[in-house]
Amino acid sequence: EAGVTQFPSHSVIEKGQTVTLRCDPISGHDNLYWYRRVMGKEIKFLLHFVKESKQDESGMPNNRFLAERTGGTYSTLKVQPAELEDSGVYFCASSHWTGFNNEQFFGPGTRLTVL
Amino acid sequence: AQTVTQSQPEMSVQEAETVTLSCTYDTSESDYYLFWYKQPPSRQMILVIRQEAYKQQNATENRFSVNFQKAAKSFSLKISDSQLGDAAMYFCAYSPSGAGSYQLTFGKGTKLSVIP
Repeated sequence: EAGVTQFPSHSVIEKGQTVTLRCDPISGHDNLYWYRRVMGKEIKFLLHFVKESKQDESGMPNNRFLAERTGGTYSTLKVQPAELEDSGVYFCASSHWTGFNNEQFFGPGTRLTVL
Repeated sequence: AQTVTQSQPEMSVQEAETVTLSCTYDTSESDYYLFWYKQPPSRQMILVIRQEAYKQQNATENRFSVNFQKAAKSFSLKISDSQLGDAAMYFCAYSPSGAGSYQLTFGKGTKLSVIP
């Protein structure tokens, strides 16, 4: 079974540019999560999809971030325009269940550097 | 809001020895879930062990066990017979149990080195 994949693995952009990150969850997983780890800080929750619907987007930092999950399969996270403080590692995770069986399977992350 | 604190940024252990990683958390909920995740260098984060708050019995997974102290809001991870492959970042995480998003709240992590 293929794991969670993320693309690209690294992205270096200039301030003001746009970047789109992609996450492909494990097939059949309805739950998809985005997290972000800024250097030296905790991994922070961004948002949670159940199928194509946003269940919780309370962690999205501002309206420069837009997440979509068309058709309930893969998800994209777009940052437009990017700012310096957006640099960090963006993780995607998926799970089949919620609750105690909420084992979230993580992707390798996308390292975003904004110059 | 829930918070998770890992007070040990780095730890080291001799191969075959035992090491304990600390984690404390803060919540006003009575039921919740706790997890330890491991991220080896340049690899994906994987679940090591999980605990449901209403269960008093400590979870165990092979060489990994937890010491869950609900009143003290403490959830430490013990690794027995440490192996070189245990070298990784270890993250303690909290998740609510009620209906909702089940988002994970993480600590900052502990970097574990295993000395041959």
